[in-house]
Amino acid sequence: DIQMTQSPSSLSASVGDRVTITCRASQSISTYLNWYQQKPGKAPNLLIYAASSLQSGVPSRFSGSGSGTDFTLTISSLQPEDFAVYYCQQSYSTPQTFGQGTRLAIK
Amino acid sequence: QVQLQQSGPGLVKPSQTLSLTCAISGDSVSSKSAAWNWIRQSPSRGLEWLGRTYYRSKWYNDYAVSVKSRITINPDTSKNQFSLQLNSVTPEDTAVYYCARDNPAFTSSSRFDYWGQGTLVTVSS
Repeated sequence: DIQMTQSPSSLSASVGDRVTITCRASQSISTYLNWYQQKPGKAPNLLIYAASSLQSGVPSRFSGSGSGTDFTLTISSLQPEDFAVYYCQQSYSTPQTFGQGTRLAIK
Repeated sequence: QVQLQQSGPGLVKPSQTLSLTCAISGDSVSSKSAAWNWIRQSPSRGLEWLGRTYYRSKWYNDYAVSVKSRITINPDTSKNQFSLQLNSVTPEDTAVYYCARDNPAFTSSSRFDYWGQGTLVTVSS
């Protein structure tokens, strides 16, 4: 199975900050990488697919980049509703696997 | 707009069978581009993909190795839904279970774009 490792596991930031979350795959996955946001008691919500494509309806302050084994999710200017847990997920091979999550908290 | 509506019991006794259903609206379980998945989430295991069913001229299933001997995912075309059965459950199977659509599956744009609301299933006597 492909292992997905996110860093950091948690971070604190303020409204208006620029934030970057990193995801590393245990082998090359080209751009078969998705990002999700999860709020308490809710299902994960797709933000970015294919490493850098913005899902319909997702604000443009979210962006993704990377290929191969290293990927980033960037939030350009944090809004109050962005404080949540973020997950990466690879769709390169079965089983599709997720990172352990990054908890973004208010500073 | 695609919607996935989950149903099923929230409490299952050890050694019994966990059964959940995911009703689809706005798409078809027989879609030739989608795959229909079950994913669970627990504090100890995080988000864990369990398996999927999909139609490509015939029905296919894929399952995670960790549950392969205990899991069945079935489509129901008459009701436009799919189901999860997990046999011989133990407390380690306690988790929130989600159904999710992957569309377009098996492409470079594969992603879980719609999810059910989640069902907390507790395995306890």
